[in-house]
This record gives sequence, C-alpha cells and structure tokens, in this order.
Amino acid sequence: QVQLVESGGGVVQPGGSLRLSCAASGFTFSSYGMHWVRQAPGKGLEWVAFIRYDGSNKYYADSVKGRFTISRDNSKNTLYLQMNSLRAEDTAVYYCAKDYDTAYFQHWGQGTLVTVSS
Amino acid sequence: AIRMTQSPSSFSASTGDRVTITCRASQGISSYLAWYQQKPGKAPKLLIYAASTLQSGVPSRFSGSGSGTDFTLTISCLQSEDFATYYCQQYYSYPPWTFGQGTKVEIK
Repeated sequence: QVQLVESGGGVVQPGGSLRLSCAASGFTFSSYGMHWVRQAPGKGLEWVAFIRYDGSNKYYADSVKGRFTISRDNSKNTLYLQMNSLRAEDTAVYYCAKDYDTAYFQHWGQGTLVTVSS
Repeated sequence: AIRMTQSPSSFSASTGDRVTITCRASQGISSYLAWYQQKPGKAPKLLIYAASTLQSGVPSRFSGSGSGTDFTLTISCLQSEDFATYYCQQYYSYPPWTFGQGTKVEIK
C-alpha cells in the first residue's frame, strides 16, 4: 500500500531555513508527480508546490515562490522541500501528497509540523 | 487563480441525517473537482474525484454531483465516523491548485 512519511519539521527562527523530506513506498515513485500542501493551525488546506515525476517541471504558490524549492531523488524514493527565509506565516503542518494525473491528491502523508517563532 | 467557496462553513447534524455540502467555483471548472475528508489531527483523505467518481474504498453513502461552477457532496445517512471537515478542490486550472475553506460537520 502507498505510504508517505514526512520528516524534518521543527521550530525555527524567522529568517531561518529547514528541509523537509517525504519518504515514499508502495508505488513506483519515479512515475508520479508529487505535491506539498500545508495547513496552518486551525486553518484550511493550501497547496505549496508540485514537481513532475521526472523533476522537469516545478510549480510554486505565490506565497512561497523564491523562498521554497521542491526537489526529488527518484533513486531514494524521496521528495524534498527546502524552505528558506522562513516567516511566522509559514507555520503549518506540511503534507506531502501523491499526485494523480496532475489533478488531485490521491494519497497523503501524516504531515510534519513547522513552527516559525523567535 | 480560481477561488473555491464552500457553504456552510460548519453545521450540526445527527447520526442518520442526510447532509449536503455545497462548493462553488469562481469560474467554470467543468467536472475537475475533488472532495476530501479530514478528521482532527489526521491527514486529508480523498473521497471523490471528477465531481462524482467515488475513490476506491469510500462508502457508497458518499456521493458528489455538479459541473461548471456548482457542486455538492452528499452523505445519505450520516455515520459517527463521518463527523469531520470536508474540503473541495479544483484541478481545472493550475497552478495553483485551490481548495475551498472547508465545511465542518459536527454532532448535534
């Protein structure tokens, strides 16, 4: 069965950096696009970034463009999100999600909490 | 970006009730709409895609309808495990992929 396990969350000061990872198993990782979606405490879902199955195309939400970088290592079945210049408003649970046909989010990880605070 | 608006934002219902949640898109999205269920402290779970196609393993009491700008998620007979927050999401035009603000279904 599909399994997505995020890691790398924690507490970081404003302006700091953090790298999230998402370990995938149970499917052919190199054949699927992947997303990051976040959820601020008590708030709704916000799409953050997408990467095509081969890494050739990447898209970002305007709120993170120029600060976050999505990447993947298909040899390790792992998705990444490098987050720089973090702000208080980036505080959220970050989920990785398996894409279906560049459309909807078919499977989700359990999430990792990122807290940006001094 | 296409804006998705759900109504109501929350409501109370009883086990056995038939409930309907509405999702409206700021422009036509054909049938490129998905619905998710999220329970407290858990990840969202895909329920429906293509506006009305049930994801494998989702109980048949869930159904979706609509096209263009107006969509509904219906739970025909509410069960205790259905008390959760529900989100719609469009994939007609991206990026960005956009969600509704969520509808919380609470126990009356």
